[in-house]
Amino acid sequence: GQQVMQIPQYQHVQEGEDFTTYCNSSTTLSNIQWYKQRPGGHPVFLIQLVKSGEVKKQKRLTFQFGEAKKNSSLHITATQTTDVGTYFCAPNFGNEKLTFGTGTRLTIIP
Amino acid sequence: DTAVSQTPKYLVTQMGNDKSIKCEQNLGHDTMYWYKQDSKKFLKIMFSYNNKELIINETVPNRFSPKSPDKAHLNLHINSLELGDSAVYFCASSQGDLTNSPLHFGNGTRLTVT
Repeated sequence: GQQVMQIPQYQHVQEGEDFTTYCNSSTTLSNIQWYKQRPGGHPVFLIQLVKSGEVKKQKRLTFQFGEAKKNSSLHITATQTTDVGTYFCAPNFGNEKLTFGTGTRLTIIP
Repeated sequence: DTAVSQTPKYLVTQMGNDKSIKCEQNLGHDTMYWYKQDSKKFLKIMFSYNNKELIINETVPNRFSPKSPDKAHLNLHINSLELGDSAVYFCASSQGDLTNSPLHFGNGTRLTVT
């Protein structure tokens, strides 16, 4: 079946440290989206990756899509307290339905 | 200038009751969705409507009935509420289909069934 695993489930980092969350699929994806949900808030779209091996940057955030289009990662450099939240990958298996990964909850220790 | 708005924000009710959640989007999007987020933060799609037509209906109990009077509105009615229905329900919209369009979420409705 079409499954996606997102790891880690939780990540606690000191402010200023880097953070990475990974999303791994058992099947090839059409594309993948990433969302951020602040505590008590709603998911907010960050980016979409479409091409094999694609890398996109948004300030301190770097998004990668694997060459086989089966995995993706989100890396945050030098975390800040504003980065707190849950990061979801949302892989598209090409079936007109956007499923969400289980999310990685990031907490920052000031 | 709210893009996707849903009401109410909080809903506390007893088992067996019937309740509705309303959603409206002013983005001009064609597609609207209902997602359920449980206590572990798992986000699961429930329904999707495109131009008032149901296109996705996940394995959701029949007690849940979506209604889309027009493409800017998608309401969710829940009959005979159960404890397990407690969750945050998010409405969302997108332009076109999900293959290339980001989702815009509402602020969520926190439903608590006692």
